[in-house]
Amino acid sequence: NAGVTQTPKFQVLKTGQSMTLQCAQDMNHNSMYWYRQDPGMGLRLIYYSASEGTTDKGEVPNGYNVSRLNKREFSLRLESAAPSQTSVYFCASREGTGRAQHFGDGTRLSIL
Amino acid sequence: RKEVEQDPGPFNVPEGATVAFNCTYSNSASQSFFWYRQDCRKEPKLLMSVYSSGNEDGRFTAQLNRASQYISLLIRDSKLSDSATYLCVVNQEGGGSARQLTFGSGTQLTVLP
Repeated sequence: NAGVTQTPKFQVLKTGQSMTLQCAQDMNHNSMYWYRQDPGMGLRLIYYSASEGTTDKGEVPNGYNVSRLNKREFSLRLESAAPSQTSVYFCASREGTGRAQHFGDGTRLSIL
Repeated sequence: RKEVEQDPGPFNVPEGATVAFNCTYSNSASQSFFWYRQDCRKEPKLLMSVYSSGNEDGRFTAQLNRASQYISLLIRDSKLSDSATYLCVVNQEGGGSARQLTFGSGTQLTVLP
């Protein structure tokens, strides 16, 4: 019963470094999402994938890229990390319209 | 005006109290509604869906008022373990856009012994 699995759980980067956050779900869900959450703020959508093979920008896409590798996996890439990208990143998935989202337990990313 | 608005709190209540949160939404085309809870430094977890006729799950009752465009969450007999941030989520389905999933910023609840 893994649900949504995110790796890594913690990461510290230097400004300008790149990295990829991984997300996989085993619930056969069609839609997958990446959010960031900053102190005192709600969840903000970065990118989403409504179905395998499609991706779209959310509210705050600048500085990020995504890949929907297959139905299970949806990765988020920071090409050149900036301190403003220090945040907690959550991946989520859902079966389809009208259904609730299920979240992974987050990646805590610090950029120095 | 934000699409989904919640009173951020904090709500500090004694154990055993009844507490209610409201969440207002601006888009009248919204079609599905949820309450999530989020513990400090943890992921949001689904608490309950909100149905048009209202629904109850143990000590928790959710209501939807489409005319006034708000949803509510009532917690009876509060427990220490209910301390968390409660997020409302409003979905406008259709159009194929996942952008229509909108989270409130959350209401912080602390239940005091």
